[in-house]
Amino acid sequence: EAGVTQFPSHSVIEKGQTVTLRCDPISGHDNLYWYRRVMGKEIKFLLHFVKESKQDESGMPNNRFLAERTGGTYSTLKVQPAELEDSGVYFCASSQQGNNSPLHFGNGTRLTVT
Amino acid sequence: AQRVTQPEKLLSVFKGAPVELKCNYSYSGSPELFWYVQYSRQRLQLLLRHISRESIKGFTADLNKGETSFHLKKPFAQEEDSAMYYCALAVPRAGNTPLVFGKGTRLSVIA
Repeated sequence: EAGVTQFPSHSVIEKGQTVTLRCDPISGHDNLYWYRRVMGKEIKFLLHFVKESKQDESGMPNNRFLAERTGGTYSTLKVQPAELEDSGVYFCASSQQGNNSPLHFGNGTRLTVT
Repeated sequence: AQRVTQPEKLLSVFKGAPVELKCNYSYSGSPELFWYVQYSRQRLQLLLRHISRESIKGFTADLNKGETSFHLKKPFAQEEDSAMYYCALAVPRAGNTPLVFGKGTRLSVIA
């Protein structure tokens, strides 16, 4: 099966610009998650979709981050305007229904804000 | 709030030596615990979870509620075990809950 795919793999933007990250989960996976790893720190949860609905967005840092999952398929994470501290690796993961089903991760998008 | 601590940033062992990657957690209830691994140029993937109580690639991990630990062990390390290992915790409830990750330990197995 095709795994979770993320695009782009790398993005370098200037402070104040906008970036949109995309995640295509494994087909049939209702759960979709965004995580972020800032250099030297833990992988931290950002938000969780169940189909097209936001189940939990408690990890979103601030209102510069907007995630969508229209139609319950792929998801986008937009950062607008980007700040230096947004640099890091953004991971997407998906899972099937079921209590704490194992997560399948994408390769991540490395975002560098200069 | 839940927290996962991996005290070692880097662990180097010789091939054939035993390896133990430490993981401690803070949570007042009974968590679900996982080990995820990221090999070089590969994606993060599940290695094992405590409820499965199985050995994967020779690795085992036992949940010790008294010590609030979930250390990952392997009796004889192999070069292909070199990777980044993350311990993670989930609060058990209906549905899926976000994973809380530790900072990770880089395991380097030296030939």
